Amino acid sequence: AQSVSQHNHHVILSEAASLELGCNYSYGGTVNLFWYVQYPGQHLQLLLKYFSGDPLVKGIKGFEAEFIKSKFSFNLRKPSVQWSDTAEYFCAVNTGRRALTFGSGTRLQVQP
Amino acid sequence: DAGVTQSPTHLIKTRGQQVTLRCSPKSGHDTVSWYQQALGQGPQFIFQYYEEEERQRGNFPDRFSGHQFPNYSSELNVNALLLGDSALYLCASSLGLAGGETQYFGPGTRLLVL
Repeated sequence: AQSVSQHNHHVILSEAASLELGCNYSYGGTVNLFWYVQYPGQHLQLLLKYFSGDPLVKGIKGFEAEFIKSKFSFNLRKPSVQWSDTAEYFCAVNTGRRALTFGSGTRLQVQP
Repeated sequence: DAGVTQSPTHLIKTRGQQVTLRCSPKSGHDTVSWYQQALGQGPQFIFQYYEEEERQRGNFPDRFSGHQFPNYSSELNVNALLLGDSALYLCASSLGLAGGETQYFGPGTRLLVL
C-alpha cells in the first residue's frame, strides 16, 4: 500500500525566510504527486501537482516542488515566505486511478 | 461557477445514531470522493463514486456507505456512530477517474459524536 511521510509537523519561520517542506512516499511505480494547502478557516486547495514531464513543478503563489524519483521525494519550496503563507500543507500521492493518500500535514507559522 | 458545496457545516450526534452528509460537486465534474480528516491528521480516503457506482473504497467498515445521484451529487451515510467517528468529513470532486486529475475539495462537514 502506498504511504506518504511528512517529517516536519510544525515549522516556524520569519517573513522572507526560505521554506522547504519534506515529503516522501512509498511506492515503486508511476505516481502522481500533489501539494494541497489549507489556510485558516478555508478548505483544501491545490498548490501544485506533478504527473509527468519536467520534475520541477511551479504552482501558485510562488511555490515550487521537485520530484526526485530516486529519493521518492517531492519537497515543497518557496524562496521567501510571507505572513499570508501561514497554513497547513499536505502532500498527497496516487497511482493510476487510485484515490489520494495524504501525509499527516505540516503546520507552517510565519511570523511578521 | 460554484465550487464543491457540502451540507450541513456542523453536526452533533450521539453514539448509535445515524448521519447523512451531502455533497454537490463542482460544475462539470462527475466523480465524487469522500475523505475523513481527524484532528491533526491528513484526510483519509473513504470511497469514490462515479456513474452512480462505488468505484474504490478505503479501509472503512460497512457502517460507512454512500450514494451518487444522476446529477452527480452524493451522500455519505454513517450508521451506528462511534465516538471515534468524530471528524471533519471532506468531499472532493473531479472529472473522470484518471489519477492525475485534480480533486477539488469542499469546506467539509464537522461531525461531533457524543
